[in-house]
Amino acid sequence: QQQVKQSPQSLIVQKGGISIINCAYENTAFDYFPWYQQFPGKGPALLIAIRPDVSEKKEGRFTISFNKSAKQFSLHIMDSQPGDSATYFCAASGWSYKLSFGAGTTVTVRA
Amino acid sequence: GAVVSQHPSWVICKSGTSVKIECRSLDFQATTMFWYRQFPKQSLMLMATSNEGSKATYEQGVEKDKFLINHASLTLSTLTVTSAHPEDSSFYICSAQRSGSEQYFGPGTRLTVT
Repeated sequence: QQQVKQSPQSLIVQKGGISIINCAYENTAFDYFPWYQQFPGKGPALLIAIRPDVSEKKEGRFTISFNKSAKQFSLHIMDSQPGDSATYFCAASGWSYKLSFGAGTTVTVRA
Repeated sequence: GAVVSQHPSWVICKSGTSVKIECRSLDFQATTMFWYRQFPKQSLMLMATSNEGSKATYEQGVEKDKFLINHASLTLSTLTVTSAHPEDSSFYICSAQRSGSEQYFGPGTRLTVT
């Protein structure tokens, strides 16, 4: 049973556009919500992460929006570039530090 | 900083043999290491959690006698797939964590069992 639900499964965006990926969780004990970027044949790399005490965090072109009451969080990729084409995973963890991953979203940025 | 390496990056072995995968934290001491398995176009599935000097904790459904994990030092954990079969072919990824901090992932090991 997947503890973190992620959508969409895939998306295509034009260069310069905005990519939006959504995740939802049920476990209210989760207190750490990272996003990972993975290229084919590589391990995942941390992109950006948020804790529940803030509603938004921005790092460069990447922004996490967090809605604690709705138990949802999302990743926005602004000004999408072809190099952003990858699979993105949301995740969540609590006191045990074990990460529960979403199913992943394959993002394709068309030049 | 916070670099994690895995060796080998890919391995092919015959059915019935065992294969060992190493995970090293190169520039920090990892109190906890995690092992994941990822099938093509799927998410990462946690297999086990290991703490230095103690027995690994396996997730439900993961055979501990088949996937042997040793965390001998604060910078090295190994995963041995024993009596490998074609269905064990997968991408195995480790991560390392300093106490209370984020997990840093290795580059993964592609295992193909023929």
